[in-house]
Order: sequence, then structure tokens, then C-alpha cells
Amino acid sequence: AQSVTQPDIHITVSEGASLELRCNYSYGATPYLFWYVQSPGQGLQLLLKYFSGDTLVQGIKGFEAEFKRSQSSFNLRKPSVHWSDAAEYFCAQTSGTYKYIFGTGTRLKVLA
Amino acid sequence: ETGVTQSPTHLIKTRGQQVTLRCSSQSGHNTVSWYQQALGQGPQFIFQYYREEENGRGNFPPRFSGLQFPNYSSELNVNALELDDSALYLCASSTSWEETQYFGPGTRLLVL
Repeated sequence: AQSVTQPDIHITVSEGASLELRCNYSYGATPYLFWYVQSPGQGLQLLLKYFSGDTLVQGIKGFEAEFKRSQSSFNLRKPSVHWSDAAEYFCAQTSGTYKYIFGTGTRLKVLA
Repeated sequence: ETGVTQSPTHLIKTRGQQVTLRCSSQSGHNTVSWYQQALGQGPQFIFQYYREEENGRGNFPPRFSGLQFPNYSSELNVNALELDDSALYLCASSTSWEETQYFGPGTRLLVL
């Protein structure tokens, strides 16, 4: 069965520091991959997605992610974190069907 | 602003009761998916509707049912509520499964 693993439940970084959130997927063929962000009391907002092509994907709010097939990973990065980035981040995949599979999320805390 | 709205925002029910949650999709989005997000978990796919017909279903029992209407609104119905049904219920709309899903803010259901 397909699964998405986000190994880090919580991450704390200082404002201005760089950020990397890890995501590993399990699907043999090329999956469609996504990163969403959820602020408290809010729905999910799409940060970026990868379907094919360039393995480095640029998203909104200064985020980027890199698809690495050899490592089954799709890690999210940001060079300099802002306090407003504090939220929960979800990685998701679909194998080419309607069913999106989400990871359990990584909660980001930003220290002033 | 995604244009996807959900009602109500919060709801309290007792075990055994029935509940209807509503979603209004963006105009032109003929695909709507429903997800259950338990506390501390990622969203779990319940089902998807495309042009008013169920297009796929996750691992949820038949007491979870849905409807989609021509005016881009949809409903999630849950019968015989159980304590474990307490969760945030999210709907997401898109023009098709492979296009970006836009999430609503969710309905938080508490079953006592």
C-alpha cells in the first residue's frame, strides 16, 4: 500500500535560519507529490507540487522542494524562515488516481 | 482565498446521531473530495465525487455517504455517529483529480 512518511513530528528553528522538512513516499512509478501547509483553524494551502520534469520545484512563500527518485524523497526547504511560517506541513502523494495520501505532518515552531 | 466554504464551522453531536456537513466548491470545479483529519494526524481520504457521482472511496464504512449537486455544492453524511468520528472534516475541490485541490477551512465535529 502506498504511504507517505514524515519522520519529524516537531521541528523548531530560529527566525532567519534555514529549514528542511523531510518526506518519503512509497510508490514504484513516478508519483504526483505535494506539500501543503495548515495554519491553526485553517484548511490546507498548497505550497507546491511535482508531476514531472525539473526535479527542483519552486512554490509560494519562498519554499522549494526537490524530488529524488533514488531516495524516494520530496523534501521541502526554505533558506530563511519567517515567524509567520509557523504551522503544520503535510506532504502528500497520489499515484495517478483520485486518492491523495497524506503524511502525518510536521509541526514547525519558529523562535524569535 | 480559495473560494471553498464549509458549514458549519463547529458541531457537537452525540453517539448514534446523524450529521450532514456541507461544502461549496469554486465555480467550475466539478470534482470534490472529502477528508477526515483526526487530531494529530494527516487528512484521510473518504471519497470523491465527479459530476455528481462517486468516483472513488477510501477505507470508510458505508455509514459515510455523500452527495454532489449541480450548483457545485456537496454534502457529507455520517450515520450512527461513533466517538471516533470526532475530527476535522475537510472538503477539497478541483477541476479534475490531477489538478490542484483547493481545501475549505473544515468542519470540526465532536461526538460525545
